[in-house]
Amino acid sequence: DGGITQSPKYLFRKEGQNVTLSCEQNLNHDAMYWYRQDPGQGLRLIYYSQIVNDFQKGDIAEGYSVSREKKESFPLTVTSAQKNPTAFYLCASRGPGTANQPQHFGDGTRLSIL
Amino acid sequence: QKEVEQNSGPLSVPEGAIASLNCTYSDRGSQSFFWYRQYSGKSPELIMSIYSNGDKEDGRFTAQLNKASQYVSLLIRDSQPSDSATYLCAVRPYTGGFKTIFGAGTRLFVKA
Repeated sequence: DGGITQSPKYLFRKEGQNVTLSCEQNLNHDAMYWYRQDPGQGLRLIYYSQIVNDFQKGDIAEGYSVSREKKESFPLTVTSAQKNPTAFYLCASRGPGTANQPQHFGDGTRLSIL
Repeated sequence: QKEVEQNSGPLSVPEGAIASLNCTYSDRGSQSFFWYRQYSGKSPELIMSIYSNGDKEDGRFTAQLNKASQYVSLLIRDSQPSDSATYLCAVRPYTGGFKTIFGAGTRLFVKA
């Protein structure tokens, strides 16, 4: 059945290392999003993509990079420039049509520093 | 002023009572409003959407929207311990394009 799959569920990063979080959806959605959630905080938008081969920075893009080479895939790389990467990362997608379409989320990836 | 504001709580209600969760937003032209439930350590789950002024009911949940007051609320009737979670209010601003702005959430505890 359709959904959004994030992997891995848990990820550990060493100092100076880049890590990539996977997000795949089989909902045929055009729009995809990456959020970061810190304990007790709301969701902060990192990057979003409205269509293949196009993406825009969100509110906290520094230290992160994305690609959108396929409609179903929107991987997020946390680079070594992100000095405080420990957080819960959520990928979401949204169906086509009007602005009334809600976002739906994957199960998330929890990233920690070793 | 934050774009979407919620009382962080915790809001504690006894089992069987009505829980009332509130949210205000700053963009007067906002068109779409959503409530998500997030259990501890899990991802947000959509429970209600509302687009027009008034009430929208779905089972034990009622969403209320008042665009003139820039206020949206969620009522949970016959609250159950399984309703204990953080509830996120989300708003799609008129100027936001594909963005959705999330509040920080209200923690709800339902006491058995």
